[in-house]
Amino acid sequence: DAKTTQPPSMDCAEGRAANLPCNHSTISGNEYVYWYRQIHSQGPQYIIHGLKNNETNEMASLIITEDRKSSTLILPHATLRDTAVYYCIVRVASGGSNYKLTFGKGTLLTVNP
Amino acid sequence: DARVTQTPRDKVTEMGQEVTMRCQPILGHNTVFWYRQTMMQGLELLAYFRNRAPLDDSGMPKDRFSAEMPDATLATLKIQPSEPRDSAVYFCASGFTYTGELFFGEGSRLTVL
Repeated sequence: DAKTTQPPSMDCAEGRAANLPCNHSTISGNEYVYWYRQIHSQGPQYIIHGLKNNETNEMASLIITEDRKSSTLILPHATLRDTAVYYCIVRVASGGSNYKLTFGKGTLLTVNP
Repeated sequence: DARVTQTPRDKVTEMGQEVTMRCQPILGHNTVFWYRQTMMQGLELLAYFRNRAPLDDSGMPKDRFSAEMPDATLATLKIQPSEPRDSAVYFCASGFTYTGELFFGEGSRLTVL
């Protein structure tokens, strides 16, 4: 699986958009970008994923650059409950042992009042 | 809401004792993952199953850890004998083969004295 690089921490003001970057310069053509988050003391939670098109759901938007070497997760109106560690992961869509999701250290997003 | 259920939530034991953690995946999911989380190492993949068959357990210390799925509604992770370095939160997750959306349980916190 391609390696990802994320900043260790970020701050955001409540009500503002939080933009979390991720670099995945070695991503392969068949690898998707996944985002998960982990709120303190809870299990990780799926947020969104995409291949090359931008994606949006009720939680967030995912912007993937045209060359697919980086992406940005956007929380449009961050709340205090969005304070968590955010993980960016790349993974192939299918294929035997490559189903696994490998978590890095992620970005600790702190939303401030 | 369907959820992954893990037991026990908390376990304190003494070194050398056997520990069994259990996981009930979401009904219908065909993949099950076991992760371990510590402050030092973060989230580590221990093993995972597809359709109850083990696909990859390379992350697991083979001499003391074992993972099984006796049926589609139960996954177990056993440590025998336990050691203080096994102290961690163990997460179980389930999902479908064709998607990287995993649903995590609340974790089992293990403390080995």
